[in-house]
Amino acid sequence: DVVMTQSPLSLPVTLGQPASISCRSSQSLVHSDGNTYLHWFHQRPGQSPRRLIYKVSNRDSGVPDRFSGSGSGTDFTLKISRVEAEDVGIYYCMQGTHWPRTFGQGTKVEIK
Amino acid sequence: EVQLLESGGGLVQPGGSLRLSCTASGFPFSTSGMNWVRQAPGKGLEWVSVIGETYTSYADSVKGRFTFSRDNSKNTIHLEMNSLRAEDTALYYCVKGWQFDAWGRGTMVTVSS
Repeated sequence: DVVMTQSPLSLPVTLGQPASISCRSSQSLVHSDGNTYLHWFHQRPGQSPRRLIYKVSNRDSGVPDRFSGSGSGTDFTLKISRVEAEDVGIYYCMQGTHWPRTFGQGTKVEIK
Repeated sequence: EVQLLESGGGLVQPGGSLRLSCTASGFPFSTSGMNWVRQAPGKGLEWVSVIGETYTSYADSVKGRFTFSRDNSKNTIHLEMNSLRAEDTALYYCVKGWQFDAWGRGTMVTVSS
């Protein structure tokens, strides 16, 4: 199975400051169709996860442009340019290239 | 608007069975892949199973015990869970699409004596 490793696992941030989460995969996530199926999800406390970013860098509808995704191969990053209070919660990366689908352990973002 | 509504969760004894369902609306259901993802209390996300038009796949942890099916006439998917174990205790989410683009609110399964 592809192991997804996130860091850090806990991220205290100051409102208005940037934040960055790393996600590394144990195998390349480049699919035979040429796409890289690496996605990011956000789970607010008590809520279901919501996809924020798909295929590395594409924001889902309604996702603020302060969120951005980048990376390639096995190394990916989610960045928040200026953290807002609503951004707290747990962020997960997930690979959709190989079976079984696998998630990172999650990164808990909280306000300092 | 995409809507996914799970049902069927509850308390069951170890070794017992349970059938989860998810009714979908707001998108072309019959051509969409659908997944179950679970989250044990206080833990992360674990993919459980996927179903396509003719394809199903399962996590090793549930293979041989869980069966995923779909009824396109009712826009519904089902997860038949047998030989349940304590470690199957989790919130089970119905998730739309091959790339997980929409999630339901989940239904809680508790396996305990």
